[in-house]
Amino acid sequence: DIQMTQSPSTLSASVGDRVTITCRASQFVSYWLAWYQQKPGKAPKLLIYMASSLESGVPSRFSGSGSATDFTLTISTLQPDDFATYYCQQYHSYPYTFGQGTKLEIK
Amino acid sequence: EVQLMESGGDLAQPGGSLRLSCAASGFTFSGYTMNWVRQAPGKGLEWVSYIGVGGNTIYYAASVKGRFTISRDDAQNSLYLQMSGLRDEDTAVYYCARGALAGPYFDSWGQGALVTVSS
Repeated sequence: DIQMTQSPSTLSASVGDRVTITCRASQFVSYWLAWYQQKPGKAPKLLIYMASSLESGVPSRFSGSGSATDFTLTISTLQPDDFATYYCQQYHSYPYTFGQGTKLEIK
Repeated sequence: EVQLMESGGDLAQPGGSLRLSCAASGFTFSGYTMNWVRQAPGKGLEWVSYIGVGGNTIYYAASVKGRFTISRDDAQNSLYLQMSGLRDEDTAVYYCARGALAGPYFDSWGQGALVTVSS
């Protein structure tokens, strides 16, 4: 199975900050990577697919980059609504696997 | 508007069975792949199972293979997960998730159904 490792596990930041979350795959996944946002008690929400494509309706302050095994999610200017947990997921091969999550907290 | 609504979550005993349902609306259900994804309390996301268009292609996570069965009824716009041989570690919120047309990532999710396995 492909292991997905996110860093950091927890990130403290302030409104207006620029933040970056990284995701590393244990094997080559090409561009087949998605990012999701999850708030407490809610279902995950798709943000980014194919490593860098922004899902319709997602604010442009979210961006993704990377390929092969190394990926990043960047939020350019943190808004109060962005404090949540973020997951990367590879869909290169089954079983599809998620990172362990990065909790973005208010500093 | 795309809607996915899970039902059937409940308390079950170890070794017992449960059937989850996911009612879909707002899109042409038969044209999409579907998945189940679960999340144990306080933990991350775990993909559980996939069913392709028409139901001919099915995959399972190793942790549930041989115990869980995914199925779909396109006439009823519904997805199912039959769970048997339940274990404590199956305790989780189970989400149904639609596969996107552009790729097998998950572009819409239900609100989740809680399955608790405990004696």
